[in-house]
Amino acid sequence: RKEVEQDPGPFNVPEGATVAFNCTYSNSASQSFFWYRQDCRKEPKLLMSVYSSGNEDGRFTAQLNRASQYISLLIRDSKLSDSATYLCVVNMPNSGYALNFGKGTSLLVTP
Amino acid sequence: DAGITQSPRHKVTETGTPVTLRCHQTENHRYMYWYRQDPGHGLRLIHYSYGVKDTDKGEVSDGYSVSRSKTEDFLLTLESATSSQTSVYFCAITAGDRENEQFFGPGTRLTVL
Repeated sequence: RKEVEQDPGPFNVPEGATVAFNCTYSNSASQSFFWYRQDCRKEPKLLMSVYSSGNEDGRFTAQLNRASQYISLLIRDSKLSDSATYLCVVNMPNSGYALNFGKGTSLLVTP
Repeated sequence: DAGITQSPRHKVTETGTPVTLRCHQTENHRYMYWYRQDPGHGLRLIHYSYGVKDTDKGEVSDGYSVSRSKTEDFLLTLESATSSQTSVYFCAITAGDRENEQFFGPGTRLTVL
């Protein structure tokens, strides 16, 4: 079983739409959670850390449910520039801050 | 910009040849990592380092070795490259206020023929 599971998509949405991505993780000892964004043939870039209380950064809102081991990302008012692959990421306990990555969810925002 | 560079950026080599990839950072971060990314697998940890001469294995370490003789450089070596090691290799460091946010280099695209 993969440590971090995500729906691969693709999600095709029109500009201005709201889109939500979900992810589950299997290791209950994980303590750090992130969403990364990866553009085609580029390195992953940190989008936001995810905190237990939930957090927001502009149009992006992340939620964490430790009991269900579930993480979500909501993107409001989608822009064409949001088109990318979104990676759900969880730390590997006892591995020097190393990370477990989901395979990613592909988003395409269309005009 | 986390000040991470990788070299080479692209390499084509033949099965059985040794290959060394270099990751260089300019900001004195303690932790460094090598991941590989393949279609259908996402990023997977190969090795990581928690200081000079201190390294440990990740989930896909077979066929790879690493060395860290200076804080700023983390080398990944394929002693005898195989076609299954064709991949994109990313180096990363931890930084940020929580010291567990990772930032990645631009990647090395390796093709083993």
